[in-house]
Amino acid sequence: GESVGLHLPTLSVQEGDNSIINCAYSNSASDYFIWYKQESGKGPQFIIDIRSNMDKRQGQRVTVLLNKTVKHLSLQIAATQPGDSAVYFCAEKKTGNQFYFGTGTSLTVIP
Amino acid sequence: DGGITQSPKYLFRKEGQNVTLSCEQNLNHDAMYWYRQDPGQGLRLIYYSQIVNDFQKGDIAEGYSVSREKKESFPLTVTSAQKNPTAFYLCASSPVGRVFQPQHFGDGTRLSIL
Repeated sequence: GESVGLHLPTLSVQEGDNSIINCAYSNSASDYFIWYKQESGKGPQFIIDIRSNMDKRQGQRVTVLLNKTVKHLSLQIAATQPGDSAVYFCAEKKTGNQFYFGTGTSLTVIP
Repeated sequence: DGGITQSPKYLFRKEGQNVTLSCEQNLNHDAMYWYRQDPGQGLRLIYYSQIVNDFQKGDIAEGYSVSREKKESFPLTVTSAQKNPTAFYLCASSPVGRVFQPQHFGDGTRLSIL
């Protein structure tokens, strides 16, 4: 079956630097992707999504890039702040309303 | 504010006991989902429901049961048949019929064994 995975389980960045979190997916037919942020003891929060007919989408301090050629998704966080420390994971649309979820990358922001 | 409410936040189960996790949403979403989250693993789908009085097994349904008597509510029962129930349980909801919609999550219930 398809799978969604992350390249790095942990990432540490200095406050104010940019962060890049990566995700690989295996189903070339997937047409919708989501990034979630999960803080300790809480549920995942929606950050940003992108459809497969787009290469890039920007939000407030976040950008998602989609490279369909190599089946790669990335989340860029600009000017990373301590409040950005959390686990980030991607989700790939499976069928209907179902998704595959990645294992997550733990981002730590160093003040 | 609209959202998903899960209760309790922490739950303890004794051997041989069934426990029920509550999930309520006021987002007017038709679809609801239950996931299990274990350390180092992605979310795994237990059950989902796209309409009242109907639900489908997910990837790891054994040892669990659900009901969907109301649109707003989707309780999950962890039965004594589930031998490794210790995990973080997440409930989610989404609209049905709109192709590109994210799932929205509650803040989870952490279940532990006494």
